Amino acid sequence: QKEVEQNSGPLSVPEGAIASLNCTYSDRVSQSFFWYRQYSGKSPELIMSIYSNGDKEDGRFTAQLNKASQYVSLLIRDSQPSDSATYLCAVSYSGNTPLVFGKGTRLSVIA
Amino acid sequence: ETGVTQSPTHLIKTRGQQVTLRCSSQSGHNTVSWYQQALGQGPQFIFQYYREEENGRGNFPPRFSGLQFPNYSSELNVNALELDDSALYLCASSSLGNIQYFGAGTRLSVL
Repeated sequence: QKEVEQNSGPLSVPEGAIASLNCTYSDRVSQSFFWYRQYSGKSPELIMSIYSNGDKEDGRFTAQLNKASQYVSLLIRDSQPSDSATYLCAVSYSGNTPLVFGKGTRLSVIA
Repeated sequence: ETGVTQSPTHLIKTRGQQVTLRCSSQSGHNTVSWYQQALGQGPQFIFQYYREEENGRGNFPPRFSGLQFPNYSSELNVNALELDDSALYLCASSSLGNIQYFGAGTRLSVL
């Protein structure tokens, strides 16, 4: 049974702070890792994808992957109230195999 | 905008009825995946279609069925609706080996 675990939150951070979101996965052969943002009542929107160990930066977002520890994280720098949403971690064995999602972490950025 | 369109946006059915949900994939994408997202949960994989053939199925009963058409659009059919089928149904399109992009979803309520 492939599992993806996330702290459900809510995670509250003040505006301008760094938000750190974490995810662990059970299937060691997983190859592709994704972070999706989901606003209430909306569908998931892709923020980041990462495939290799290390960090990947895109604007205010940094994804970190550690395959040995089976751990993926997302850092949001200079958090804004508009970042308040549920962040879903998703994992797949290869590029087009089904995504296995965590339950999501609810982030609240306080102005 | 991902270029993935789903219809209808909302639907109300009664227990025992049948429903058909539709998805038009993004131009150039030949793979469609369907997910069910219950309130407060991450999306759960239902099945995937690649070039009109089922290419994987999650842990859903046979009353969940699907089709993919030559233009790569897809349908999800659910027979004998149950109360627990109430959820957001998400369609994601991709090219084989690449990232999945989600449509806006269909919110199904079963009364």
